[in-house]
Amino acid sequence: EILMTQSPATLSVSPGERVTLSCRASQSFTRDLAWYQQKPGQAPRLLIYDTSTRATGIPARFSGSGSGTEFTLTINSLQSEDFALYYCQQGDHWPWTFGQGTKVELK
Amino acid sequence: EVRLVESGGDLVQPGGSLRLSCAASGFTFSNHWLSWVRQVPGKGLEWVADLNEGGTEKYYVDSVRGRFTISRDNAENSLYLHMNSLSAEDTALYFCARHVPRARAVDVWGPGTLVTVSS
Repeated sequence: EILMTQSPATLSVSPGERVTLSCRASQSFTRDLAWYQQKPGQAPRLLIYDTSTRATGIPARFSGSGSGTEFTLTINSLQSEDFALYYCQQGDHWPWTFGQGTKVELK
Repeated sequence: EVRLVESGGDLVQPGGSLRLSCAASGFTFSNHWLSWVRQVPGKGLEWVADLNEGGTEKYYVDSVRGRFTISRDNAENSLYLHMNSLSAEDTALYFCARHVPRARAVDVWGPGTLVTVSS
């Protein structure tokens, strides 16, 4: 099983800032990395898949990058609706596994 | 509108069984892999099971293999999760989710159904 580790656990930021979330895998893979956003009481929402492809309807301020064991989600000019929990997920090997999440909160 | 709606969650005693259902609408159900994902309230996400379009290829997380069975009825646009030998560790909100075609991620989620295992 591939272990996914996200950092930091919490990010305290102000609206308009650029935010970078990290996700590290316990073993290397090419591209099957996705990012989800989850708000309280809601199901997760797909933001990015295949490391860098934005899902339908996702604003361009969200971008993904990385390869091997290091992956990154960047949010440019953070908006008020972006305060949420973010999870990375690998789909390279079954069982697919998630990171433990990064909470983006208001500073 | 593309939609998934789970049902069947309940309070069940340890050792008991339960069947979850997921009703799909708004898309061609038989064209998609599907998954069950669970989340203990206030905790992270855990992949439970995957099923291919025809129902012939299945994957399970180790903690449920041999106890849970994923299945589907393409004629009824429905996904199922049969759960046996339930324990407190299975208590969670269970989501069904649709795979992105030709990608290893899910793009449509239901609201979830709560399974509580307790005496």
